[in-house]
Amino acid sequence: RKEVEQDPGPFNVPEGATVAFNCTYSNSASQSFFWYRQDCRKEPKLLMSVYSSGNEDGRFTAQLNRASQYISLLIRDSKLSDSATYLCVVNMNTGFQKLVFGTGTRLLVSP
Amino acid sequence: DAGVIQSPRHEVTEMGQEVTLRCKPISGHNSLFWYRQTMMRGLELLIYFNNNVPIDDSGMPEDRFSAKMPNASFSTLKIQPSEPRDSAVYFCASSLGAGSQPQHFGDGTRLSIL
Repeated sequence: RKEVEQDPGPFNVPEGATVAFNCTYSNSASQSFFWYRQDCRKEPKLLMSVYSSGNEDGRFTAQLNRASQYISLLIRDSKLSDSATYLCVVNMNTGFQKLVFGTGTRLLVSP
Repeated sequence: DAGVIQSPRHEVTEMGQEVTLRCKPISGHNSLFWYRQTMMRGLELLIYFNNNVPIDDSGMPEDRFSAKMPNASFSTLKIQPSEPRDSAVYFCASSLGAGSQPQHFGDGTRLSIL
């Protein structure tokens, strides 16, 4: 099983739609979770951290389900500018603490 | 505020040549990471340093790759000799702490080995 797994997509949605991505992780001891956004030919950029109680930042909502070992990202009222690849990131408490990046879910928002 | 600075932005060279990539982390960050990204394999961690000391280099592909961090504000990733399969985008990232803090990425170096 991969350490961090994501559906690669692409998810094709019209402007204004609500879209959700899930990500599963293998290490039950993981403590830190993030969503990054990567535009084509650009570097990954932090979108938001994911907290145990769930958190919201404008149109973006992140949730954590420790029992099932998955995190989710919900985007409401999609904009054309939301088109990008969304990377799920989880820390691995396995001796050397390090962040592991998923392969990403591609989102395409169309007019 | 200055982010992570990488150089060069682009590098095209012939196989067999030595390639050196450079990175200046965000001031005050004590962890530095080197990643390689390709379409086939996604984002792969090559090596990371904590307080200038290499902590985990298990992702370094082979002996042709080496990385150094002589001080808190500079790191290099060297490939010698380079091969066409090394063509990729190489990112440097830094963070406060290694496993629990978000990482901030540089713009990357787009490397093409002919």
